[in-house]
Amino acid sequence: AQSVAQPEDQVNVAEGNPLTVKCTYSVSGNPYLFWYVQYPNRGLQFLLKYITGDNLVKGSYGFEAEFNKSQTSFHLKKPSALVSDSALYFCAVRDHASGGSYIPTFGRGTSLIVHP
Amino acid sequence: GAVVSQHPSRVICKSGTSVKIECRSLDFQATTMFWYRQFPKQSLMLMATSNEGSKATYEQGVEKDKFLINHASLTLSTLTVTSAHPEDSSFYICSASTGRHQPQHFGDGTRLSIL
Repeated sequence: AQSVAQPEDQVNVAEGNPLTVKCTYSVSGNPYLFWYVQYPNRGLQFLLKYITGDNLVKGSYGFEAEFNKSQTSFHLKKPSALVSDSALYFCAVRDHASGGSYIPTFGRGTSLIVHP
Repeated sequence: GAVVSQHPSRVICKSGTSVKIECRSLDFQATTMFWYRQFPKQSLMLMATSNEGSKATYEQGVEKDKFLINHASLTLSTLTVTSAHPEDSSFYICSASTGRHQPQHFGDGTRLSIL
């Protein structure tokens, strides 16, 4: 079984400060991990993914995420937040194990609010 | 690249009407398409998964006869909400994927309002 948790419903950060949106996962094999962003009344946009390789993954709009196998985490980060980064962020996981579901599981979402 | 077009973006109709939502992958062939429902301030609820030319796989609790899904080609899937009622009002989002290792590409969603 696969699952993903986003422990924070909302994250508040001041513009210019670094931001972190947390995500932890559980899979039986190796994970495929994804981050998406959703702006109001829009679909989700893909930000970045981890399949294999370097633990630090760089994605769109200056975002990056660090895969930590021992902590089963894949936190989303950005060194300097912008007001325009305010949106809903979703983490998703798919189990790489043989027989694992090809359907990703999404977290409940974290609302990021960047204050001017 | 990897653009998914979802139409219409907004529908307002009377109770009892059937509503069809289209999801097209414009510049790629989608082996799998997904349909989600999203309530305000809540996460995505997967309704069904469809592969071209085969019957959709519905998630537990989703009525097959209520939410008809057709995946006629590698670039088009449709969701028909039959005899819609106010409780069907929601934001419906489709997505498409080219494979297990690949991210999903989402449409912009359809806001369905049943009066």
